[in-house]
Amino acid sequence: DARVTQTPRHKVTEMGQEVTMRCQPILGHNTVFWYRQTMMQGLELLAYFRNRAPLDDSGMPKDRFSAEMPDATLATLKIQPSEPRDSAVYFCASGLIDRGHPGAFFGQGTRLTVV
Amino acid sequence: AQKVTQAQTEISVVEKEDVTLDCVYETRDTTYYLFWYKQPPSGELVFLIRRNSFDEQNEISGRYSWNFQKSTSSFNFTITASQVVDSAVYFCALSEITGANNLFFGTGTRLTVIP
Repeated sequence: DARVTQTPRHKVTEMGQEVTMRCQPILGHNTVFWYRQTMMQGLELLAYFRNRAPLDDSGMPKDRFSAEMPDATLATLKIQPSEPRDSAVYFCASGLIDRGHPGAFFGQGTRLTVV
Repeated sequence: AQKVTQAQTEISVVEKEDVTLDCVYETRDTTYYLFWYKQPPSGELVFLIRRNSFDEQNEISGRYSWNFQKSTSSFNFTITASQVVDSAVYFCALSEITGANNLFFGTGTRLTVIP
């Protein structure tokens, strides 16, 4: 059963520390999304990759957030330095998007708490 | 600009009742996709359905059915004979063909099914 895998599932860290979240997309998918979910803002797009190239990261605070896809099986989202306002659930999703949009399949999320 | 509105923040029904979750969208594109996702208490986002803008046929899958009406820009979701396991937050989402193809989510409707 193919699924998107995210690690860690939970992370508690102190303000100022670096946080790295990892995502393994479904094999064969060409598109990876990073979303953040908070009570106040709901689901927000942070970054978007197609064929490992970043297409849109306008939703991401550039001074502290960075997203990369070092290879087709790994996407990372890094926060440095982390702040309490970064506390949220971070979702990775992947899809096979060419001429259409068959849907994005989400991982279970990383619940980040910055104290 | 694109927008997805789920006006119902919370709905409670008694088990076995039918319930309809409303979704209204805005887009300038003539080609787009609409989705429903379920987020159960465990937190993951589960893909339920995709519909493209050229296909206005209603769809039924077991106890779930979807009513897409382009004339009113609505894509409503009905659960027939609701069950306690249907308790979750349900998100409607829109993806446009132009641009980044990312998903724009509504704010979600929290459904509670009371036994």
